[in-house]
Amino acid sequence: AQSVAQPEDQVNVAEGNPLTVKCTYSVSGNPYLFWYVQYPNRGLQFLLKYITGDNLVKGSYGFEAEFNKSQTSFHLKKPSALVSDSALYFCAKTGANNLFFGTGTRLTVIP
Amino acid sequence: EAGVAQSPRYKIIEKRQSVAFWCNPISGHATLYWYQQILGQGPKLLIQFQNNGVVDDSQLPKDRFSAERLKGVDSTLKIQPAKLEDSAVYLCASSKGGGTQNTGELFFGEGSRLTVL
Repeated sequence: AQSVAQPEDQVNVAEGNPLTVKCTYSVSGNPYLFWYVQYPNRGLQFLLKYITGDNLVKGSYGFEAEFNKSQTSFHLKKPSALVSDSALYFCAKTGANNLFFGTGTRLTVIP
Repeated sequence: EAGVAQSPRYKIIEKRQSVAFWCNPISGHATLYWYQQILGQGPKLLIQFQNNGVVDDSQLPKDRFSAERLKGVDSTLKIQPAKLEDSAVYLCASSKGGGTQNTGELFFGEGSRLTVL
């Protein structure tokens, strides 16, 4: 079955510290993996994607993600968190025709 | 470039009533999606259109949910009759391509929040 797991419902980090939001995926061929962010009362916004090539993918707002095939992971990272990064983050993986989303991780950056 | 437009933003109805949500995708986007996002869960695909044809409606509860995209542009999602468990945010998204052409960058609207009492 297609699946994406986000093991942490909530991540708290101090402003200026590095942040990591975890994602693992079920193996099926060569996966396309994505991160989306959802701010309060807003729709999801695309952050970045891994299709092929370099395992370290850079995206919007200073975020990056590392594709690790051996660990079937695609963790989202940022070197220095901002209060404005506080939001709900979703990892997603393509299926046959659409995206399968994880359950989301709420990131809170503490001033 | 205008984004994905959805209306209404909020709707409160009683169970067994009906409701309809409207979506206008980004101009030129062939593929349109309706997702259901229940509180605390990730979005779940209800139906996907490619132009005016249905690509995937395997998770649409067809006894009560219906959707159409008659002219291949805007779309309507209807629930009749609504149940308590239908309380959720209904997200519309669009993309340029679909299927194997889809590299996953979906553009989402702000969603329509439904509360069923």
